Amino acid sequence: QSALTQPPSASGSPGQSVTISCTGTSSDVGYYNYVSWFQQHPGKAPKLMIYEVTKRPSGVPDRFSGSKSGNTASLTVSGLQAEDEADYYCSSYAGSYIVIFGGGTKLTVL
Amino acid sequence: QVQLVESGGGVVQPGRSLRLSCAAAGFTFSTYGIHWVRQAPGKGLEWVAVIYYDGSNKYYADSVKGRFTISRDNSKSTLYLQMNSLRVEDTAVYYCARVRGQLLSGAFDYWGQGTLVTVSS
Repeated sequence: QSALTQPPSASGSPGQSVTISCTGTSSDVGYYNYVSWFQQHPGKAPKLMIYEVTKRPSGVPDRFSGSKSGNTASLTVSGLQAEDEADYYCSSYAGSYIVIFGGGTKLTVL
Repeated sequence: QVQLVESGGGVVQPGRSLRLSCAAAGFTFSTYGIHWVRQAPGKGLEWVAVIYYDGSNKYYADSVKGRFTISRDNSKSTLYLQMNSLRVEDTAVYYCARVRGQLLSGAFDYWGQGTLVTVSS
């Protein structure tokens, strides 16, 4: 199974919105509603931000939202704040008892 | 509060073995599936393996199948990863992560701090 495709970088100014894409295939992202998004600050463990495409764990600000269309999932961060600057990874169930991740997107708050 | 603490990392030569541990606290360990996820230096996340809450089923990434073995001791609330025939490309920080909901959903809601494994001659 190949990794999911994410843009290497994304950026936005404070208060703006930014959307990060995660493209898979009809066998993973397009088939299962098991897409998650993780935020990782340098030297820290990843943090779950979105699961099952659109669900937000308690404690995650509602500025973070997830969606999916076809084989592409998206994470939108609204009202960008300085602390949102981090690496973001998507993951998906890929069938055959395998989980796959995207390559990661570095989000810069200008 | 939920805690996952990995240990056992270090420097090892190619072809040798290493066993990682992940000690859990703050939740009923025996009712959750647990995964291993790794991250090579400066690289992205890679899923490694998963084990059912009761240890009855285990699944592996192709890159480690046949070399790594995931196991758990629910009486000790501890997860293990036995890594044999290590390769340079196995160098990474290894995280254990609890999954919420469906075992293979990828919804890893708690992670350990990671333990670094360096495979080098």
